[in-house]
Amino acid sequence: GDSVTQMEGPVTLSEEAFLTINCTYTATGYPSLFWYVQYPGEGLQLLLKATKADDKGSNKGFEATYRKETTSFHLEKGSVQVSDSAVYFCALPYSSASKIIFGSGTRLSIRP
Amino acid sequence: GAGVSQSPRYKVAKRGQDVALRCDPISGHVSLFWYQQALGQGPEFLTYFQNEAQLDKSGLPSDRFFAERPEGSVSTLKIQRTQQEDSAVYLCASSLARYTSGIDEQFFGPGTRLTVL
Repeated sequence: GDSVTQMEGPVTLSEEAFLTINCTYTATGYPSLFWYVQYPGEGLQLLLKATKADDKGSNKGFEATYRKETTSFHLEKGSVQVSDSAVYFCALPYSSASKIIFGSGTRLSIRP
Repeated sequence: GAGVSQSPRYKVAKRGQDVALRCDPISGHVSLFWYQQALGQGPEFLTYFQNEAQLDKSGLPSDRFFAERPEGSVSTLKIQRTQQEDSAVYLCASSLARYTSGIDEQFFGPGTRLTVL
């Protein structure tokens, strides 16, 4: 069945460091792919998305490219800030499109 | 602007008690979803409504879980005879359109943290 596997955390980086959080997926067809973020004390928010192969989603300095050949959607940011500390979830809509399948989440902590 | 709201934010129940969790979606949103998020895990799908119709309840873990959305707006997730394994954060999400394309954004509420003692 469809599934998402993402890099386990926690990940701790210093401010201005480069970030990569790996995500790979297994799916029937070519679904949309999402990254959601959960800031402390807040609800899940959509960070970025890509709807087809080779698309690049971007928002708030984060980027992820939908790579069909490697079935991946890695999240990257060139220079992280303390305010980026949160839990990040890779996700894809299930083949029936009535629900989203989430990865297990990666907790990111940024040191000043 | 008003987002998805959930109440209560925290609920402590003794094992065997019934609980009811409320979700107020964004006004006008057709689709409504419930998810269960265990500690340190990603959310897992429970059920989906399109207006008042419950189109998918494949994720409900047992017949102790029941959800309704009688007027196509507010939804209630009810858990009967709660067990310790029901302890989790219950998330509600809504989406403007019928969720047929897989690209419509789901807007999440802050969740209800349920602790069963």
